[in-house]
Amino acid sequence: SQKIEQNSEALNIQEGKTATLTCNYTNYSPAYLQWYRQDPGRGPVFLLLIRENEKEKRKERLKVTFDTTLKQSLFHITASQPADSATYLCAPQEGSQGNLIFGKGTKLSVKP
Amino acid sequence: DVKVTQSSRYLVKRTGEKVFLECVQDMDHENMFWYRQDPGLGLRLIYFSYDVKMKEKGDIPEGYSVSREKKERFSLILESASTNQTSMYLCASTTVLAKNIQYFGAGTRLSVL
Repeated sequence: SQKIEQNSEALNIQEGKTATLTCNYTNYSPAYLQWYRQDPGRGPVFLLLIRENEKEKRKERLKVTFDTTLKQSLFHITASQPADSATYLCAPQEGSQGNLIFGKGTKLSVKP
Repeated sequence: DVKVTQSSRYLVKRTGEKVFLECVQDMDHENMFWYRQDPGLGLRLIYFSYDVKMKEKGDIPEGYSVSREKKERFSLILESASTNQTSMYLCASTTVLAKNIQYFGAGTRLSVL
């Protein structure tokens, strides 16, 4: 069955460092992969989408990579800030009309 | 900006009650979704709809039904609420024109006593 794993439930880092979150998938061939941010008690908010033929995508301090050979996406936040503390969800998608399957998320805590 | 509005932020219901959760989007999106989110289990898809009067079962449809009479409104119905349906319910909408990027409502935290 299709499986999505985000490397850890929680990640604690110091302000100013780079946070790296991992998303691995099996039995799946997504054409797209999306990342979302979710704050406590709120709905997820879209951050970035990367296509299978793109190696890397950037948006301000965020960077996403997509390695279809390793079946893995990495999500980086550079110069992290306490305001980046949230749960981050990855969501592979098969085809442009496919539904998303969400990972369980990684809770990032950035300490001042 | 896309706005997805869920009718209630918090609801408390009793076992056996019929519960309606309403979701409205203002961006003319054709696709709408209902998820539930539980600690340790992540987001799980209950039902989705690609068009008015259309509905498809997601991964966990048992105990739920949906209604989509108008394009902007997607309702989730708990026919007879049970305690194991206590959860956070999230509605989302999207369009294929936007590569199915999903826009979520703020969520409804339902407690069934």
